[in-house]
Order: sequence, then structure tokens, then C-alpha cells
Amino acid sequence: DTGVSQNPRHKITKRGQNVTFRCDPISEHNRLYWYRQTLGQGPEFLTYFQNEAQLEKSRLLSDRFSAERPKGSFSTLEIQRTEQGDSAMYLCASSLMAGGAGELFFGEGSRLTVL
Amino acid sequence: AQTVTQSQPEMSVQEAETVTLSCTYDTSESDYYLFWYKQPPSRQMILVIRQEAYKQQNATENRFSVNFQKAAKSFSLKISDSQLGDAAMYFCAYRSGDSNYQLIWGAGTKLIIKP
Repeated sequence: DTGVSQNPRHKITKRGQNVTFRCDPISEHNRLYWYRQTLGQGPEFLTYFQNEAQLEKSRLLSDRFSAERPKGSFSTLEIQRTEQGDSAMYLCASSLMAGGAGELFFGEGSRLTVL
Repeated sequence: AQTVTQSQPEMSVQEAETVTLSCTYDTSESDYYLFWYKQPPSRQMILVIRQEAYKQQNATENRFSVNFQKAAKSFSLKISDSQLGDAAMYFCAYRSGDSNYQLIWGAGTKLIIKP
């Protein structure tokens, strides 16, 4: 296993279009996280899955955002009716441990540009 | 609410020298964990070092060490014998002891290594 994989790496879209990002976590990790990162800032938490259950959603995740993790394996993050303010790097991470000193393993991110 | 502050947007150091990156945090909790993550350009974020608040001994990982001052709520990262591959954004992060998922991130410090 080569780590967390995210696709696509870059996405340019026009305002109002829908986009979907995919994350394949490390296979034995049952915890998966989505973060958003804008230039010059640290990651902002969006949502968290334990297996297929979405246990937490940030208020940053508006109704236009939806995330799924069917069968507790890969996850998708869909943004509907994109806005220019959605332009950011979307990071996926997975972990074996919940909380504590547990390490997050990140993918390389999916960069979204909304024109 | 907890906050994490990295007051140095950018730092530079000569190759082979030592550099210290600053991080302060605000919390009323006694049980928490602190992390330094490294994000090289166009690559995934990786864990550099972590510290449990209940441990008095400062964490060390090869050339990386921390100066954890619990009373001062300070968690600085020291990089010894800086190498070109250390060039990256460095993020300080906080996790509450009772959180399964939430990491609070600083804004990051860009580290430049001068050859």
C-alpha cells in the first residue's frame, strides 16, 4: 500500500458546476477525514468518517457539500453549484487510531479552481 | 475554544545550521496532544513529531526536537543540522484529549533552507 491517494489532483471548473473528489485511504485505516486548505492557512476540518458512518460535519460544510464513504473504503466529496469561494486544496487523511496521539496520514490533495 | 498561533510566517536558515519554529496555543484543558506536521511543496503533509501534554520530557525524533513549555503554552520545534529537504511549510496542531478527530491547526511557517 502506497498511502492515501486522491483524485483528481487538479480540477478547474466554472462557477455553478458540480465537482467530485475521490479519496482512497490506507487500506487498514477505518477513519477518514476531509480538510480544506486555502493558501497561507492551515487545514480546516470538514468531516470525519469511522468506517462508513459520517460521525462529524463542520459547519463549514454547507448544503452544497456532501461526502460519502460507501462500504467504509474509499470516500467521495462532492461540491454542487461551485462558487469561487470554494477554490482551495481539499485534503483527505486517514488514521488507524481515533484521537489521542494518533497520526493522520494525508494524501497529496485535490486542488480546485473555480472560475 | 482552543487556538493555535504560529507567529512566524516565514523563516530561513543556512544549510547545516539550527532553526527554531515557534508555536503557542490557548487551552483550558489539561489533557491534550500537540503535533508538528511538515508539508513540502506539492507533496503530502507528514507527521514530524508529537508530544503528549502529560509527558514532561520533550519529544525527539532524530534531528527534530521540541521545547514543550506547558505553563507558557508554548511548543516550539527545533531542527538541527538543517538539510535542503527540510524546506517546507510546517504546521503546529493541537488535539484535545477527549476528541476523536478534531485537530486545531496553526497557519503555518514556511521554512527556507539556504544552500
